[in-house]
Amino acid sequence: AQKVTQAQTEISVVEKEDVTLDCVYETRDTTYYLFWYKQPPSGELVFLIRRNSFDEQNEISGRYSWNFQKSTSSFNFTITASQVVDSAVYFCALILSSNTGKLIFGQGTTLQVKP
Amino acid sequence: DTGVSQNPRHKITKRGQNVTFRCDPISEHNRLYWYRQTLGQGPEFLTYFQNEAQLEKSRLLSDRFSAERPKGSFSTLEIQRTEQGDSAMYLCASSLEGGLYEQYFGPGTRLTVT
Repeated sequence: AQKVTQAQTEISVVEKEDVTLDCVYETRDTTYYLFWYKQPPSGELVFLIRRNSFDEQNEISGRYSWNFQKSTSSFNFTITASQVVDSAVYFCALILSSNTGKLIFGQGTTLQVKP
Repeated sequence: DTGVSQNPRHKITKRGQNVTFRCDPISEHNRLYWYRQTLGQGPEFLTYFQNEAQLEKSRLLSDRFSAERPKGSFSTLEIQRTEQGDSAMYLCASSLEGGLYEQYFGPGTRLTVT
């Protein structure tokens, strides 16, 4: 069965700290995509990144970086120099090439960045 | 380019009533998805369309739920004989054809069944 686990329910940091959000996934498929979404207090899910299972290169976008490791089935997300505006719920999600119709989401990690 | 829109944003209804939600996807997107999100949980898949064809329905989608996308553009999700357990945020998303592209989400419709 396919599953995404985000073990950290809530994280609280002080502004300018770095923070890493963990994501572990389970699938027997060899071809799949992983995603991160941000859900701010307004409620609308915002797409952050998509990664395919054949590309294990780390990616950096501004203060955001992602570390994909197939060996540990993990796709972790790091925010460098966090800001108050980063406060949100972050979801990791998985989609399989064998069933491209649905995103399988983790339970989310609530990040609170305090000034 | 406008994003995904959903109407209404909020709906309060009494148990036993029928409700209908509408989703307008991004115009060039062939795929449209419905998810349900309850408090403290990640979104759960309900169903999806490619153009006007409904290709998959989750077991979460009981007989009281029906979704349509008659002309391959907007979609409606109807819940008949609502129950308190139906209270949730109903999210719509759309994507380019192929399914492995990122899905873009609308703001959701929050349903409260009293």
